[in-house]
Amino acid sequence: KNQVEQSPQSLIILEGKNCTLQCNYTVSPFSNLRWYKQDTGRGPVSLTIMTFSENTKSNGRYTATLDADTKQSSLHITASQLSDSASYICVVSGNNDMRFGAGTRLTVKP
Amino acid sequence: NAGVTQTPKFQVLKTGQSMTLQCAQDMNHEYMSWYRQDPGMGLRLIHYSVGAGITDQGEVPNGYNVSRSTTEDFPLRLLSAAPSQTSVYFCASSYSTPGAMNTEAFFGQGTRLTVV
Repeated sequence: KNQVEQSPQSLIILEGKNCTLQCNYTVSPFSNLRWYKQDTGRGPVSLTIMTFSENTKSNGRYTATLDADTKQSSLHITASQLSDSASYICVVSGNNDMRFGAGTRLTVKP
Repeated sequence: NAGVTQTPKFQVLKTGQSMTLQCAQDMNHEYMSWYRQDPGMGLRLIHYSVGAGITDQGEVPNGYNVSRSTTEDFPLRLLSAAPSQTSVYFCASSYSTPGAMNTEAFFGQGTRLTVV
């Protein structure tokens, strides 16, 4: 059973609109949660990393939130751009490993 | 800024052939790892290393070997390729283990392997 679940699987939005991606996890113990952006044919690139004591972290137009009590995280993208088209991957770490969600495929259309 | 470098980018193998996927990092990171990415699934850990001379198995280690003779290099060897090993392989490195607070993990560009 995958310990990191992301929704939706895919999403299409118009350029300039906002969107929110969800991540639920059951990984225990919990150390940190990362959001990565993966362009087609490329490796994942880090957007944010949060520990259990952090509720929110921003990186430009990307804002991640974390609720360690409900084991949920979200990634909010503001004023989307065509270059935001990519897969967004939620990664949860315990001790030595990283557990990956299957990702949300975002398509931004003009 | 080289970061994590993987070679080759693409490879086609015949069933039963062996090959080595190369991974090198220039950030003096202790922790390195290999993952495979299959459609509809999250990346899965194959092997990892917490430092030179130390390796351990991940979630899906069967059919793969690794070694870590230097801090910089972490090659992945396919012993006898099978069609089930068709996948995209990613190498990653970080200063410390992924569970350490605020440890940034960097990924290579990936190797797309097809076994026919």
